[in-house]
Amino acid sequence: KAGVTQTPRYLIKTRGQQVTLSCSPISGHRSVSWYQQTPGQGLQFLFEYFSETQRNKGNFPGRFSGRQFSNSRSEMNVSTLELGDSALYLCASSPQGAVTEAFFGQGTRLTVV
Amino acid sequence: AQSVTQPDIHITVSEGASLELRCNYSYGATPYLFWYVQSPGQGLQLLLKYFSGDTLVQGIKGFEAEFKRSQSSFNLRKPSVHWSDAAEYFCAVGGRTGGFKTIFGAGTRLFVKA
Repeated sequence: KAGVTQTPRYLIKTRGQQVTLSCSPISGHRSVSWYQQTPGQGLQFLFEYFSETQRNKGNFPGRFSGRQFSNSRSEMNVSTLELGDSALYLCASSPQGAVTEAFFGQGTRLTVV
Repeated sequence: AQSVTQPDIHITVSEGASLELRCNYSYGATPYLFWYVQSPGQGLQLLLKYFSGDTLVQGIKGFEAEFKRSQSSFNLRKPSVHWSDAAEYFCAVGGRTGGFKTIFGAGTRLFVKA
């Protein structure tokens, strides 16, 4: 079974731009969660989607948004990028929900300059 | 409030020595507990999980963890560390309280010396 695939792996953007990250979950998994990982803040929960619906959301500004498609693939978007958005963005999929065992992708390293 | 505390930012052990990584959690209901490992530049890999039942759980790569409800702890152990175990380890707690999300600790970086 293929694992969780995140694209792109690396991204460099300029302040003020927007970015879209993609995540393809493991086949059959209906839940996709997104996390931001930084050296200072650790792993922080962004949001979780289950069957195309956002089921839970972390404490991030509205510039961070996401969606899930009918095939369970998910995208997250960050608008008006700030330097502090530089981070490793991790996607995780699970069969039932974010509370159960999660399988992580390798992440997208976003650098904002 | 739900939280996970990993008191040790980093730990150094000699190869072949035993290892214990500490984890304490705060959760309003029965927690689901996890340990993940992350190698540099990689995503997280699940080592083991506790949902219910036997409080001593076995995981991959020779790791085990013990759930102690009275102490709100879920410490990770390994009897003999290998150089390849050098990585960052994350304890996590999840459940239905507060919605479907898993909360991670800050991580413990493990260094292994020859």
